[in-house]
Amino acid sequence: EAGVVQSPRYKIIEKKQPVAFWCNPISGHNTLYWYLQNLGQGPELLIRYENEEAVDDSQLPKDRFSAERLKGVDSTLKIQPAELGDSAVYLCASSPGLANEQFFGPGTRLTVL
Amino acid sequence: SQQGEEDPQALSIQEGENATMNCSYKTSINNLQWYRQNSGRGLVHLILIRSNEREKHSGRLRVTLDTSKKSSSLLITASRAADTASYFCATDLSNDMRFGAGTRLTVKP
Repeated sequence: EAGVVQSPRYKIIEKKQPVAFWCNPISGHNTLYWYLQNLGQGPELLIRYENEEAVDDSQLPKDRFSAERLKGVDSTLKIQPAELGDSAVYLCASSPGLANEQFFGPGTRLTVL
Repeated sequence: SQQGEEDPQALSIQEGENATMNCSYKTSINNLQWYRQNSGRGLVHLILIRSNEREKHSGRLRVTLDTSKKSSSLLITASRAADTASYFCATDLSNDMRFGAGTRLTVKP
């Protein structure tokens, strides 16, 4: 069974440019998470989806970040415009339901110059 | 914001020794989970312990939970070089998952 797929794995952009990350969760997993991880730190939740509904986006900087999960499967996280401080690893995870273990993708390492 | 705090921040041991990592948290939880992350990779789930459980085992892993002290520990017995990684605890309250900053474990061969 395929795990959580993320693309791209690496992205280098200049500040003020837009960037998008894509995530394909494990088949059948209704819950999808986007996390941000800075070097030497643990993941910080940005947004959680239950099917296509964003049920927890309190930590998402809505002035520049947006996310969508059309049809309750794949998800896209976008930053527009990117700032230097956005350089981090963006992790996607999915789980079969609430209060279950999460399965993480390999992450997208973003570098903003 | 991160709720769990792992201790120590870094741990270096010899292969074959046991490794113990601790996690403290601030609010009541539904469950607590431990994850491992190898350098440059995603997190891998190790074990989940629910708030009404006190101890769980999985292979060489032993996790304890003390809800009165709001703390948990992860014990890895007979460590191997392949156990070298960062270990994170994550607390779950009403499906609001919060990770700590992690313990960086190095197992020297």
